Formats: sequence, structure tokens, C-alpha cells
Amino acid sequence: DGGITQSPKYLFRKEGQNVTLSCEQNLNHDAMYWYRQDPGQGLRLIYYSQIVNDFQKGDIAEGYSVSREKKESFPLTVTSAQKNPTAFYLCASSIAGTKYNEQFFGPGTRLTVL
Amino acid sequence: KQEVTQIPAALSVPEGENLVLNCSFTDSAIYNLQWFRQDPGKGLTSLLLIQSSQREQTSGRLNASLDKSSGRSTLYIAASQPGDSATYLCAVSRRTDYKLSFGAGTTVTVRA
Repeated sequence: DGGITQSPKYLFRKEGQNVTLSCEQNLNHDAMYWYRQDPGQGLRLIYYSQIVNDFQKGDIAEGYSVSREKKESFPLTVTSAQKNPTAFYLCASSIAGTKYNEQFFGPGTRLTVL
Repeated sequence: KQEVTQIPAALSVPEGENLVLNCSFTDSAIYNLQWFRQDPGKGLTSLLLIQSSQREQTSGRLNASLDKSSGRSTLYIAASQPGDSATYLCAVSRRTDYKLSFGAGTTVTVRA
């Protein structure tokens, strides 16, 4: 059963803590993406990766970090430098480098800062 | 910078009425446009993808049109049902790097 999984579904962070959100896909897609969604706003791109061991900053990368050591996995770390991390985080994947670029999304992780 | 706008932000219709959702974008140099559905607290489900060379795409009760020159797309949902209640987002793929720019969405309520 192909798809994208994200864990945990809910995450709570204390001030000053780093937390890591997991994203795994078994669609054999080369490209993976992390988005942030705030109420009443469209999705904003945090980081994306077109291939293993390579990734680029999106529009709002400050306070976040990623790694891409395996094709299937693209974890996102929300660092203490991110001043307003409470949001809904969505991971997506697609076939890389084509004009089709249909993106498929995971179920999301809701992060709340206590 | 590509700006994507969806108006109205919310829409309420009685069951059986046809839905018309609008999406506009400022830069016509796109590769494709994608419509998504999002249920509360869930991820996005891809509904339709229209390539820049296409004028429309259909899937069941859904039909999406694209007018690249005027920077507009419309999603039509025929004979709406309460199960169609959700937020609908459109996104355009930038020609330079394939990244998506999203609108804020239209939240639809279909009343039984």
C-alpha cells in the first residue's frame, strides 16, 4: 500500500527544545518537500530535496533543518531558533524534475509550543 | 513572485447545487495547476492536475478549467453533497523550478 506517512500526529514542544518530525514515503519518488500551514494561509515551502544527500531552502527555512540520507526519508527538525513554530506541518513527494510534478501529501503533524 | 488568490474564502450551499470555486494567479508562466481537497486536521488529497497546455480536466463530478492568459482556474463540482464539505486549495507549479505556490483555500459547506 503506497503512500506517505508522518509521525507523530501531534507534538508538543517546550521553549528552547529542538524537535524532529518524521516523513517516510514508499512511492519511489525522488523529490520530497516540507510545508508549513497556518490558519487562513496557504501552504509555505520550508525545504525541499530533489535527490538523496541534496536539499534546498524554501521560502521560510529559518529555524528549520533537514537531512536526506535515504530516498524514503526526509526528517524535519524544528530548532529553538524558530520563533513561532506552532503550526500544521505537511510533507509531500513527487517524481523529480518533470513538468508533471504532481505532489502527494502525508497526513500532517500538528506542532504546539507550550 | 507568484501570488495565488482564492475567492471567496468560504462558501455555503444547499445540497444538490453546483459549486464554482475560483483561483487566480499573477504569473502566467506556469507548468501546471493542481486542485487539492483538505478535510479538517488532515493532509491534502490531489483532485485534478491540469497541464499548462490543457484547457480543462475532468474526474467524475469534478471539472477544472484553466485560462493561462488571464491567470485563472475554476473548479466545478456538480450536484454537491454533504460529503463535499471541505477546504479546496489550488496550487501552481512554477516554470523555473517546479515548486508549488498555494492559495489560502476556499472552505465549502454543503447543507443537507
